[in-house]
Amino acid sequence: NAGVTQTPKFRILKIGQSMTLQCTQDMNHNYMYWYRQDPGMGLKLIYYSVGAGITDKGEVPNGYNVSRSTTEDFPLRLELAAPSQTSVYFCATNRDTNTGELFFGEGSRLTVL
Amino acid sequence: QQQVKQSPQSLIVQKGGISIINCAYENTAFDYFPWYQQFPGKGPALLIAIRPDVSEKKEGRFTISFNKSAKQFSLHIMDSQPGDSATYFCAASSRSARQLTFGSGTQLTVLP
Repeated sequence: NAGVTQTPKFRILKIGQSMTLQCTQDMNHNYMYWYRQDPGMGLKLIYYSVGAGITDKGEVPNGYNVSRSTTEDFPLRLELAAPSQTSVYFCATNRDTNTGELFFGEGSRLTVL
Repeated sequence: QQQVKQSPQSLIVQKGGISIINCAYENTAFDYFPWYQQFPGKGPALLIAIRPDVSEKKEGRFTISFNKSAKQFSLHIMDSQPGDSATYFCAASSRSARQLTFGSGTQLTVLP
């Protein structure tokens, strides 16, 4: 089992460009999350999904969009990249929110110049 | 109400020493308090977790101490080893929430 797979691992974008960060899981978990991690700021929730076809905003959703057409995939879309979106992005899954145990991917480092 | 405050931001400990990281929360609805460990270039991974019905939980060299009245919890790493050098995040969630609230992280360095 691969667990949570994120692609790409590294990407450099120019201001105004668009891109999609991919996240795929093979654990059959219903809950999926996108976080961004900035130095000294911890992990901030961007969007989450409780199942296919259902998504909701987290703490910092502006500038991002998501979709969840299948249980396995939860892509994160950046439409007009800005320098403030330079960060490390983590996708995570959870079987049961009562335990809060998240399983993270290895991250995607995005730089916007 | 949703914030979890973590300190210190960084910590340097000698091998064999005790590492202590503290967190405080405001939301009294929080009922699950995990700690995550993150190595460079990797995603965070669950280390240990506690629910507020107990005041302490120990797993090997790692112990969570929980003070419900003070709304504080802490991670103690006994006999710290260089391999423990990582970033540690506390977090909290409630039954009604579908997400964890994370602290800002502590970068631990254990000197050999």
